[in-house]
Amino acid sequence: DTAVSQTPKYLVTQMGNDKSIKCEQNLGHDTMYWYKQDSKKFLKIMFSYNNKELIINETVPNRFSPKSPDKAHLNLHINSLELGDSAVYFCASSLLAGGPVYEQYFGPGTRLTVT
Amino acid sequence: RKEVEQDPGPFNVPEGATVAFNCTYSNSASQSFFWYRQDCRKEPKLLMSVYSSGNEDGRFTAQLNRASQYISLLIRDSKLSDSATYLCVVNPHSNYQLIWGAGTKLIIKP
Repeated sequence: DTAVSQTPKYLVTQMGNDKSIKCEQNLGHDTMYWYKQDSKKFLKIMFSYNNKELIINETVPNRFSPKSPDKAHLNLHINSLELGDSAVYFCASSLLAGGPVYEQYFGPGTRLTVT
Repeated sequence: RKEVEQDPGPFNVPEGATVAFNCTYSNSASQSFFWYRQDCRKEPKLLMSVYSSGNEDGRFTAQLNRASQYISLLIRDSKLSDSATYLCVVNPHSNYQLIWGAGTKLIIKP
């Protein structure tokens, strides 16, 4: 059983297009995250939702809009894609439940290439 | 100073050797510490949490030094399959966020 899944795994698109990435977790976790890992391999947090509430909203262009329809799903929509958006986008989930930050479980990543 | 710093490597180590690397963190109030492993073109996966008293999992030992604000990872009897990037992760404020180091690349050679 896949714990954290993302679709699509690969996404090649042209500048200016709008695209979405979907994420689902079946671990029963209450918190989900979007990370961006660029060519230098540095992992940067973008957003986080806890029980469908936005709790982390880092400095990210407003072309990026997350949406969490329920605790098990977190989607990322990107408008007007730019070359610099090319990266691997990872979804992750964890169980906070009012306690310290527990370990995060990652999806396989979506490799976005903007041409 | 970066919040979490690691030597990027690569560390080239012969199979069977012992290797250790450190990670320093800037916030003395940091609460939780982890080592993750990331294979090439794969997602990060939790290797082990780091406890105040130090902890061991098979060939892997993690230690925390709060006075000097660093954590360490020791790998004994290294295997070819240990080749990966090891990410140091810190929870600095007991809130929802983890701060990630840039990773240390380890290459185990036969």
